[in-house]
Amino acid sequence: QVQLQESGPGLVKPSETLSLTCAVSGGSISTINYLSWVRQPPGKGLEWIGQIHHSGSANYNPSLKSRVTILVDKSRNQFSLRLSSVTAADTAIYYCAKNGGYNQDYWGQGTLVTVSS
Amino acid sequence: EIVLTQSPGTLFLSPGERATLSCRASQSISSTYLAWYQQKPGQVPRLLIYGASSRATGIPDRFSGSGSGTDFTLTISTLEPEDFAVYYCQQYSSPALYTFGQGTKLQIK
Repeated sequence: QVQLQESGPGLVKPSETLSLTCAVSGGSISTINYLSWVRQPPGKGLEWIGQIHHSGSANYNPSLKSRVTILVDKSRNQFSLRLSSVTAADTAIYYCAKNGGYNQDYWGQGTLVTVSS
Repeated sequence: EIVLTQSPGTLFLSPGERATLSCRASQSISSTYLAWYQQKPGQVPRLLIYGASSRATGIPDRFSGSGSGTDFTLTISTLEPEDFAVYYCQQYSSPALYTFGQGTKLQIK
């Protein structure tokens, strides 16, 4: 069974870049079609950020596209999220997840990132 | 962008009752692309239903999904205490965009 674990700074300053990594275990990332990032502001709903294929091809939510980069590192069996020019509105729990068909069937535990000076 | 509207926002029911949650899309979507998730406080979202009506692995058969076009429903036949949570519907649209509904909170009456 695939397991995912997010890691990265819990506090980022406004205008800086948020960087998170998701380590995948229990299977090779090369056998997984797509991996996604999803976020959830405290007390609010879910927002899909984007996804990446093990080939490196990525798709992004148009609302965030200008600021988001998702990369895959097959040698380390992990993928990453970078979100630039962050503001307080980017404060959220960030989840990495494995896509299963047209949904996300396995999720990491999530990591809270707070944007504050 | 396809918008999903869930109703009601909050649903108050008692254990043993039947719950019916609605998800309406702003335009017609393929049933293949409609999923439902459950999220309990402080926990990770859990996939319940995919393809509008197929239960995910390990999901009890009291959960069922139905619908087509723009109207989809999640039904919990007999509520258990552990079912009180927030439920989200989600859709996928080509070329590659997932959107979620705003959620329905199922609370104990």
